[in-house]
Amino acid sequence: QVQLQQWGAGLLKPSETLSLTCAVYGGSFSGYYWSWIRQPPGKGLEWIGEINHSGSTNYNPSLKSRVTISVDTSKNQFSLKLSSVTAADTAVYYCARRGGTMVRGVIEQYYYYYMDVWGKGTTVTVSS
Amino acid sequence: DIQMTQSPSSLSASVGDRVTITCRASQSISSYLNWYQQKPGKAPKLLIYAASSLQSGVPSRFSGSGSGTDFTLTISSLQPEDFATYYCQQSYSTPAITFGQGTRLEIK
Repeated sequence: QVQLQQWGAGLLKPSETLSLTCAVYGGSFSGYYWSWIRQPPGKGLEWIGEINHSGSTNYNPSLKSRVTISVDTSKNQFSLKLSSVTAADTAVYYCARRGGTMVRGVIEQYYYYYMDVWGKGTTVTVSS
Repeated sequence: DIQMTQSPSSLSASVGDRVTITCRASQSISSYLNWYQQKPGKAPKLLIYAASSLQSGVPSRFSGSGSGTDFTLTISSLQPEDFATYYCQQSYSTPAITFGQGTRLEIK
């Protein structure tokens, strides 16, 4: 049973850098992409970015200039840094695993991806 | 970006009711559509993937259908533990996934 445990600073001042880490327990670390997703108070979910065990990353274009996701394979951990935070970055931040299922078609293979394992979330508040 | 629009935004229903939530994509996404359930203070939980495949461990009263731009999540007989917020999510443009705004299901 894969579990994600996340931690990081919960209160930041504007212009500071948000830093969160997520540890993966009980399952394979390689072979998956590991994501960060956030949810502002009372609002919906926003994908921030992802990384795999090799360090290959993908970022949401709307946040790309401020986001860095890194990986430490020796500890089965991945981390999020978001620079120059403002009140708009106040949210619950989740780490999650991008799982997937492959379906064989007549000619091609189709990959259906989804977020199947989630951390419990970390509340981050940006306030002066 | 592919925009996902859910309707209704909120819904009141009673235990035992059959409930349907709709999700519309701004462009065709084939069957690349997932559904999640989120309870207050908790992380989302995957219910349905690939539009109609039930995630392991999810009760069979949950079902999904649709393809292209229009999708539905149906709960055949509401149970007390089903009152939550539901989100659709497109995986067509993985890794650049996007979510619907959510549908809050409340007790009538």
